[in-house]
Amino acid sequence: QVHLVESGGGVVQPGRSLRLSCAASGFTFSGYAMHWVRQAPGKGLEWVAAISFDGKNKYYADSVKGRFTISRDNSKNMLDLQMNSLRVEDTGIYYCASEPGRGQAISGVIAFNRFDSWGQGTLATISP
Amino acid sequence: EIVLAQSPGTLSVSPGERATFSCRPSQGVSSLHLAWYQQKPGQAPRLLIYGASTRATGIPDRFSGSGSGTDFTLTISRVEPQDFAVYYCQYYGGSPITFGGGTKVEIK
Repeated sequence: QVHLVESGGGVVQPGRSLRLSCAASGFTFSGYAMHWVRQAPGKGLEWVAAISFDGKNKYYADSVKGRFTISRDNSKNMLDLQMNSLRVEDTGIYYCASEPGRGQAISGVIAFNRFDSWGQGTLATISP
Repeated sequence: EIVLAQSPGTLSVSPGERATFSCRPSQGVSSLHLAWYQQKPGQAPRLLIYGASTRATGIPDRFSGSGSGTDFTLTISRVEPQDFAVYYCQYYGGSPITFGGGTKVEIK
């Protein structure tokens, strides 16, 4: 059974950094793409970033491009999100999610898959 | 970027009634890349439907999805008390992945 556990959330001031982690178990982590999705308080879901199964391809929402970095360590079954230059609007619950695909581009076109497992989320609060 | 418009924003139904809500992409998308999720307060989202009409593992058959192109629908044939939640559609056919704004299903 897939199990995803996020950690690393907390309260930080704008402009500072935070590193989130997601520990994965119950499946062959190294075989699948992974994602981060966030949810501002009382709001909807926003996809943040994705990484291919081998870590070679990374994709970001425009709202975080250049500030956030997604990475993975397949030897440790860990997914990370390094968040720099944080803004108040980055506040929210951050979920990691797995998909049944590899996150590879085929003929130059990326094809993702549905998010079949989610962690319970970790709250990041950016406040002056 | 594919923008997903969900309607209505809130749907009031009584247990046992049928609930139908809509997801309309800003441009035509392949039904292969359209999913629906359920989220209850304080919980992570849960995958209900993928490929527009395929139920995820363990999802009861009162949930069904349909549609194509720019018009997709999620139907709950007979709403049960545990179905009161927020429902999101998602497009995952490319980058960026996008979500609709959600439909809240509340008790009438």
